[in-house]
Amino acid sequence: GQQLNQSPQSMFIQEGEDVSMNCTSSSIFNTWLWYKQDPGEGPVLLIALYKAGELTSNGRLTAQFGITRKDSFLNISASIPSDVGIYFCAGQLSEKLVFGKGTKLTVNP
Amino acid sequence: NAGVTQTPKFRILKIGQSMTLQCTQDMNHNYMYWYRQDPGMGLKLIYYSVGAGITDKGEVPNGYNVSRSTTEDFPLRLELAAPSQTSVYFCASSRPGQGLTEAFFGQGTRLTVV
Repeated sequence: GQQLNQSPQSMFIQEGEDVSMNCTSSSIFNTWLWYKQDPGEGPVLLIALYKAGELTSNGRLTAQFGITRKDSFLNISASIPSDVGIYFCAGQLSEKLVFGKGTKLTVNP
Repeated sequence: NAGVTQTPKFRILKIGQSMTLQCTQDMNHNYMYWYRQDPGMGLKLIYYSVGAGITDKGEVPNGYNVSRSTTEDFPLRLELAAPSQTSVYFCASSRPGQGLTEAFFGQGTRLTVV
């Protein structure tokens, strides 16, 4: 089946630092999505990407849809304590939505 | 709008018991999904539905059943609970069209099988 390789698995950073995480796949996707999950909650959508090469920002978050349609990255600039959580990438092809294993982000004040 | 609502939030089952996890959405979304999330893992697709009366298996369907009699509801059934089904279950819905495939998630059902 389709698999997404998300890295890194975890990150420990200082408040104010920038963060970068990425997802790669052996399959092509039509849509890339980035979600954040807080403890005890469901994932919440951060950014959606629909076109190869697309670069989209949402506040301090920036994500790009790779040219090959097999990868995507998410950057967070000037991290703050509330950025703590697990970030998931997801790729959509037709009706199926496939998730990576997540990047756990810890921000030290 | 309530979005995607899951019930119950928590449940403890004994091995061999059965239960239904409820999911309802009020956004008139065609697509609905059931995922399970194990510690340190991503979300694995159990079943999905592209519309009322249509369901399909995902990555890990064994031990589960679903039905989609209405657009709003997508219940997940466990017939013979096993310890391996201890997990957090998330329901999601989306309305694809012109690339708008964002899935919205419920808050999850934490299930423990003992």
